[in-house]
Amino acid sequence: DIQMTQSPSSLSASVGDRVTITCRASQGVYSWVAWYQQKSEKAPKSLIYAASSLQSGVPSRFSGSGSGTDFTLTISSLQPEDFATYYCQQYYSFPYSFGQGTKLEIK
Amino acid sequence: EVQLVQSGAEVKKPGESLKISCKGSGYSFTSYWIGWVRQMPGKGLEWVAIIYPGDSEARYSPSFQGQVTISADKSISTAYLQWSTLKASDTAMYYCARQGFGGVGFWGQGTVVTVSS
Repeated sequence: DIQMTQSPSSLSASVGDRVTITCRASQGVYSWVAWYQQKSEKAPKSLIYAASSLQSGVPSRFSGSGSGTDFTLTISSLQPEDFATYYCQQYYSFPYSFGQGTKLEIK
Repeated sequence: EVQLVQSGAEVKKPGESLKISCKGSGYSFTSYWIGWVRQMPGKGLEWVAIIYPGDSEARYSPSFQGQVTISADKSISTAYLQWSTLKASDTAMYYCARQGFGGVGFWGQGTVVTVSS
């Protein structure tokens, strides 16, 4: 199985900050990586797919990059509604493993 | 509009059986993989199993192989997750998820399963 190692596990930041979350795959997954936002254990919301493509309706302050084994999610200017938990996921090989999550909190 | 609507919360005793459901609408149900993601209280997301309703090919995460059964009835656009013998450790939120080239683009609202004596 492919392991997704996400860092950091938690992060404190202020409104307006630029934030980067990283995810490393235990083996190459090409660009088959997605990123999700989850608030208060509601259903996750898809943000990014294919490593760098923005889902429809997602604000442009969210961006993704990477290929192979190393991936990043960047939020260019944090807004109050962005404080949540973020997960990466590889969908190159089933089981489509998730990272352990990054909890983004208000500083 | 794509929708995945899950069955309601369940409270069961250890050893009991259970089948939860997820009804898809607004898209071709037989053309996308659909599966179940578990979230235990306060924990992260884990894939349980996935099925392609077009031909019923199913795949299971190793941790769940033999513990659950995934199925789909394409005549009513509904996927299922079934346990024959529930354990307390099955207590979790279970999300239905449509997996495609865009990752999981659509999620169900979640079904809370509580197993307690």
